[in-house]
Amino acid sequence: QVSLKESGPGILQPFQTLSLTCSFSGFSLGTSNMGVGWIRQTSGKGLEYLATIWWDDDKYFNPSLNSRLTVSKDTSNNQAFLKITSVDTADTGTYYCTQNDYSSPHWFAYWGQGTLVTVSS
Amino acid sequence: DVVLTQTPVAQPVTLGDQASISCRSSQSLVHSNGNTYLEWYLQKPGQSPQLLIYKVSNRFSGVPDRFIGSGSGSDFTLKISRVEPEDLGVYYCFQATHDPNTFGAGTKLELK
Repeated sequence: QVSLKESGPGILQPFQTLSLTCSFSGFSLGTSNMGVGWIRQTSGKGLEYLATIWWDDDKYFNPSLNSRLTVSKDTSNNQAFLKITSVDTADTGTYYCTQNDYSSPHWFAYWGQGTLVTVSS
Repeated sequence: DVVLTQTPVAQPVTLGDQASISCRSSQSLVHSNGNTYLEWYLQKPGQSPQLLIYKVSNRFSGVPDRFIGSGSGSDFTLKISRVEPEDLGVYYCFQATHDPNTFGAGTKLELK
């Protein structure tokens, strides 16, 4: 069965770079149509879809954060990564990774448990 | 960006009653391919959101048939008949027709 788990620094300071890891099982980013997406939940904007990295290394970014986001993957180790540069307090929230399947009729069928990120000086 | 407006913000219910949640979009959610990519998620307390409904009215695997999605264009509804304790939480609509894909602000289903 599909399982995902996020990990991150917990707390970081303004202007630092946030690095998150999604470790997953039950599917492979080496398989056609598979992707890992990132969604965050903040008090200011609620649920916000950030980005997806696909099996073929294609990437989607939310235009509102495009310039600050980087996504990458390690197919061999079943991991995906999200980086957000120059964080501020508005980036405080819970970050989720999800399985995306380009061939399925729905978007976010499987979610990780989320990791809480706090930006504070 | 497409704005999804959910009403009410909170819905007090009695167990066994029906509940209804509205999601209205600032633009039609009919894609150029003819599909309407409107989904519903439930976030139970302390948990991640879980998919309930996709493409307006299709229940995801394992979702009970008391969850009914309906609507078209820019006006959508989620009905929950015979509310059970495990149905309590915050419901979100989500659109994947337009870029960027967006979520509604949520409707909290709570006990009266």
